[in-house]
This record gives sequence, C-alpha cells and structure tokens, in this order.
Amino acid sequence: NAGVTQTPKFQVLKTGQSMTLQCAQDMNHNSMYWYRQDPGMGLRLIYYSASEGTTDKGEVPNGYNVSRLNKREFSLRLESAAPSQTSVYFCASDGGVLSYEQYFGPGTRLTVT
Amino acid sequence: ELKVEQNPLFLSMQEGKNYTIYCNYSTTSDRLYWYRQDPGKSLESLFVLLSNGAVKQEGRLMASLDTKARLSTLHITAAVHDLSATYFCAALTQGGSEKLVFGKGTKLTVNP
Repeated sequence: NAGVTQTPKFQVLKTGQSMTLQCAQDMNHNSMYWYRQDPGMGLRLIYYSASEGTTDKGEVPNGYNVSRLNKREFSLRLESAAPSQTSVYFCASDGGVLSYEQYFGPGTRLTVT
Repeated sequence: ELKVEQNPLFLSMQEGKNYTIYCNYSTTSDRLYWYRQDPGKSLESLFVLLSNGAVKQEGRLMASLDTKARLSTLHITAAVHDLSATYFCAALTQGGSEKLVFGKGTKLTVNP
C-alpha cells in the first residue's frame, strides 16, 4: 500500500515549457486534490476532483489544467510555465466517511527559470 | 467563503514550556485538521476533529475544537526540540464539493 505517490520529485523548467505532474493513489478514494505551497502562504488549492470524471477549480487555477484519468490517477498540467509557478506541489486524496483523513503525497519541487 | 487564520505565525519557545497555537475559521465547518510539516517534507496528519468539544491528545500535543466559537487550539505541553516544525490547521468547507482551506502555518522552534 503506497498511499499517494507523485512524480517527478524535482523539476526545472524554462519559461514557456510545458509539463505534467503525475499523482496516483491506491486507497480507492473518490476525492483527489492538487495544492501548491509557497513560503508564508500555507497550502492553496489549485484543482480538485470529487470523483472520477469530474474536476473543479480551486483557489488558484490559472495557468493549470487537470485530468482525472481514472479513480487512481489525477494529473496536473502546466501548458506554458511561468516563474510565478515556481512552488512545491502536493497531491492529496480524501478518505471521506471511511477515515475522514486527507493523505498527502511527497510533493514535487518545481523551479521555472 | 471560508477563511482560516492561525496565530502566532512564528513561535520560539524553550524546552519544558507550554504554549498554545490558535486556529480561527470564518464560517461553519464540520471538520478541523491539524498537520505537521518538517522542512522539505510532506504534511503529516496529527489530528482530525469532527465535533464540538472534541479533544484529542498524542504525546505532548493536544487539540480541541469549539465549533460555536469557530476556534481550534493545539496545545503543546513541556516542549521538546523534536517538536520543532511548522504546524498547519485546515477546515473543511460545507455545501457542494468539500475541500480543505488551510491556515498559513505556525513555525515552531523549540530551543534547548
């Protein structure tokens, strides 16, 4: 049981490049989330998916797109990276009424130059 | 719109002392979380508080929830250096799709 996994762990992009951050969970959770963490800002929600086939915007969705490929996987795409997207990105899944816990992945540290 | 405010944002304390971190939230919420984060690491779940008056304890940490006051506290008893970390509270939104709203975190440093 790996919990929530994320790839890659680190990435450096040039401005304008694109990339996809991958997230997978093996706990059969319906809800999955993408957050970004910046110094002094706490975690801010980018996008979330309450169930397979549905996605919704969070607090800071501009510049990002997401795909809920199946129940296990939720990917985050940066189409044209900007320096303002330099951040640590966390994926999470929610156990809902089974556990009331939200489980976090190890994070992806992204630098855009 | 749910907003979560933590204070203090920075806390430096001596080993052996007690202190409390406060978490206020602006609208009704059914679930309040406390997380710990070490530098360069992910978030580790400490407590999930589900009802008014809920109190949970783990070692030197105790969390409580007052839904009427929209306030949760994380009390540290007889602090030790290993408790140095950043602590976040988060509240769950209600109505529609549920999502967590985080406070900005409290960076705790415990000095010998």
